Amino acid sequence: DQQVKQNSPSLSVQEGRISILNCDYTNSMFDYFLWYKKYPAEGPTFLISISSIKDKNEDGRFTVFLNKSAKHLSLHIVPSQPGDSAVYFCAASGSSNTGKLIFGQGTTLQVKP
Amino acid sequence: DAGVIQSPRHEVTEMGQEVTLRCKPISGHNSLFWYRQTMMRGLELLIYFNNNVPIDDSGMPEDRFSAKMPNASFSTLKIQPSEPRDSAVYFCASSLEQGLDRYEQYFGPGTRLTVT
Repeated sequence: DQQVKQNSPSLSVQEGRISILNCDYTNSMFDYFLWYKKYPAEGPTFLISISSIKDKNEDGRFTVFLNKSAKHLSLHIVPSQPGDSAVYFCAASGSSNTGKLIFGQGTTLQVKP
Repeated sequence: DAGVIQSPRHEVTEMGQEVTLRCKPISGHNSLFWYRQTMMRGLELLIYFNNNVPIDDSGMPEDRFSAKMPNASFSTLKIQPSEPRDSAVYFCASSLEQGLDRYEQYFGPGTRLTVT
């Protein structure tokens, strides 16, 4: 039972354009969401997060949007750069006050020069 | 800080053999997580320790898998006997269980396991 789903396995974008990565979740108890980025042969690294009390969080070129009614979040990268090419994982946490995260399957982003 | 350290980086073994993966978390972190990455299911949480105590092992696939954390600076994930379907990348991560920091997990480089 995949509680966090990333339905697009891959995405290809031209350098300078916007990249939009999507994530859907099923558990309405999730109250904190994160995006992680992973380069080949490395572990995932934290990128950006958002609490369920907000609908947007911005950090430089990266913005995460949360639509609680649709149980959907998205990561926008503007402008996209070749160095952004990586696998992006969406993750969610419930209200259990633990650090346990549920991850999606990941989306491979390729930014073409 | 050296970050989360995992060993070995690569492991190739034959079906039926015992495999032990090792992890050293970041000093001062009190939560440790073992994940398995596959194409189909992405990053699956196998087990989670807090202050060296297993809190949630519901993701451990079956009795062939076991994990220990004898002290705050070392954990092992053991598969006995191993099977070809266990082939995956196994990640260890640690975090500081405090406020919102508990959600930011620091991952090791992973161990790529191949069972033939």
